[in-house]
Parts: sequence; structure tokens; C-alpha cells
Amino acid sequence: QQPVQSPQAVILREGEDAVINCSSSKALYSVHWYRQKHGEAPIFLMILLKGGEQKGHDKISASFNEKKQQSSLYLTASQLSYSGTYFCGTESGNTPLVFGKGTRLSVIA
Amino acid sequence: DAGVIQSPRHEVTEMGQEVTLRCKPISGHNSLFWYRQTMMRGLELLIYFNNNVPIDDSGMPEDRFSAKMPNASFSTLKIQPSEPRDSAVYFCASGGLAGRGDTQYFGPGTRLTVL
Repeated sequence: QQPVQSPQAVILREGEDAVINCSSSKALYSVHWYRQKHGEAPIFLMILLKGGEQKGHDKISASFNEKKQQSSLYLTASQLSYSGTYFCGTESGNTPLVFGKGTRLSVIA
Repeated sequence: DAGVIQSPRHEVTEMGQEVTLRCKPISGHNSLFWYRQTMMRGLELLIYFNNNVPIDDSGMPEDRFSAKMPNASFSTLKIQPSEPRDSAVYFCASGGLAGRGDTQYFGPGTRLTVL
């Protein structure tokens, strides 16, 4: 089952914060976050395994609520370079990643 | 490490022609995945291999599509005959075994245009 991402699109000014959500109807083993810039391949950001952990590097972090089958990606003090489409991918059991439709993030000066 | 390598990067062909896309995964990775990305359907998994063995090809849209992985360092996705609706960006990714929480790394993609 494809995870549902929200919002579909968001526009930020430099320095503002954003949250992107990813939810699934199935019990999750892991959640993966990727960013894709126009005309390029998706780039891996981070992975969260069941256990409800939170991860982050630089000003991008994520949480995973196993019970709610949800994950959120947090972008703080956004920079122009954060612009792109963010995808979450989820794994359930031994199934491969299923990606959401993506959230288009635009950061403007 | 060179990362996942795909060729060609761009392919323009006419309807009815055979198209072959190639992928070299990252050395040491156990799994290889073929995806198709379009504006309408997003990122779709077509097929994946674990240790060179096709595991799930339920995402392959039609019999016109076929994929092989003859060894750990090479895979092909073939479309025969091609149709305009096959126009998309095709990504190959490699990683650890599917479903185990391992990271997938994407290649640069092949942009296919079928006229």
C-alpha cells in the first residue's frame, strides 16, 4: 500500500521551518526519506527503523511513530538548497520500498 | 565508489522499436531494483532482484517489458516493442536485501522518449 504524504506542496522563505508527514495503513518496519531535485535521481536522506527513533543531521531530522504508522520529516531554518521533491518510502514485513507521491518543497529568498 | 551506473542517459526511439536499458549496481550490494517515474504515476517499482534472482515482477506493466540480471554487476530492462506511453524516466537502484531496512541508492536514470 502506497504511503500518503502531506502536504503535497509547500512554499517557504529562507529560514522558515517545514514538516512533511508520511502515513501508512500497514504496520511498518522502516521508513526511508529521499530528496529529488528536478532532472536528477532521488538522493537518500535517512532511514528510520521500527522502535520509534528519531534521527537527524544538520538541520534535517525525522521521527517515526511505529504505533501510529507515521513518520515526519523536519526541516529547520530552510535554505535554498532544500528545494526539491521529498519522498518517503516504507517497508512492511519483507516487502520492498513503496514510495509516496512526494511533497514538492520550494524555498524562496 | 562510482555509484549506480546507468546507460544510456537519454534514449529517443520510435514506436515499435526495441529498447534496452542497462544498469551496473554498486559492488557488494545484494539487491537491484528497476523503477519507472512519471508525473502521473510517480515512482513505481517494476521489478527487483535479490542475489541476481528476480523476486517480484508484479510491477512490470506488460509482457513487452522484461528484465534480466545475468550476474551481480549487470542488469538490463528491455521493452519490445516500445510504445509512446512507455516514455518516462527509468531508474535503477541497488542496496541491501529488500524489506530489511537497508538503504537503496539510485542511479542517474535513463530518460526514455518513444515517438
